[in-house]
Amino acid sequence: DSGVTQTPKHLITATGQRVTLRCSPRSGDLSVYWYQQSLDQGLQFLIQYYNGEERAKGNILERFSAQQFPDLHSELNLSSLELGDSALYFCASSPLAGNGGELFFGEGSRLTVL
Amino acid sequence: QQQVKQSPQSLIVQKGGISIINCAYENTAFDYFPWYQQFPGKGPALLIAIRPDVSEKKEGRFTISFNKSAKQFSLHIMDSQPGDSATYFCAASRHFGNEKLTFGTGTRLTIIP
Repeated sequence: DSGVTQTPKHLITATGQRVTLRCSPRSGDLSVYWYQQSLDQGLQFLIQYYNGEERAKGNILERFSAQQFPDLHSELNLSSLELGDSALYFCASSPLAGNGGELFFGEGSRLTVL
Repeated sequence: QQQVKQSPQSLIVQKGGISIINCAYENTAFDYFPWYQQFPGKGPALLIAIRPDVSEKKEGRFTISFNKSAKQFSLHIMDSQPGDSATYFCAASRHFGNEKLTFGTGTRLTIIP
């Protein structure tokens, strides 16, 4: 158990809808990262927050947004969903702001867009 | 986009054999190279990592070999066991930079009896 909690584990929705994925980092970790895992695409970095502030942005679509709250949990909002958004969305946390340290991943939220 | 190319996509090895997964990177500024292991239904977990100041790092049956001039690194699993069956991701990043870990596309390893 990594200590990172993600909800929901599974989500099925329709195109055009909006969903929110939630992540609680390990106790004490200030950084939260969001990754998207699609078939044959590996893990694509979306966005990182550190202690409530956006720290780095990756390949995140404009239809997606995220935030980190004062209690350090984070939410990833996906709107105007398309079939291609179907994927596993992972949250990871670490105590560091920068690179070079271990990321602790949750078990992911599997999103299916029909 | 900075890339990390991983091969093979899938690998079947007999129990007791050596599993070898290779990765190549483009950005010479990368200085942190971890391998993550992912079991079905779970998130990836750090297995072993190396920095470019050494050419090899060994932890139990797992070894990373690093070739800085060729911009390649590989994971060797000695005496492979059925419990090693998982998907393995290599990754790379810069220690001082905002780019986050860039992952390879993964290798699905199956160890057969």
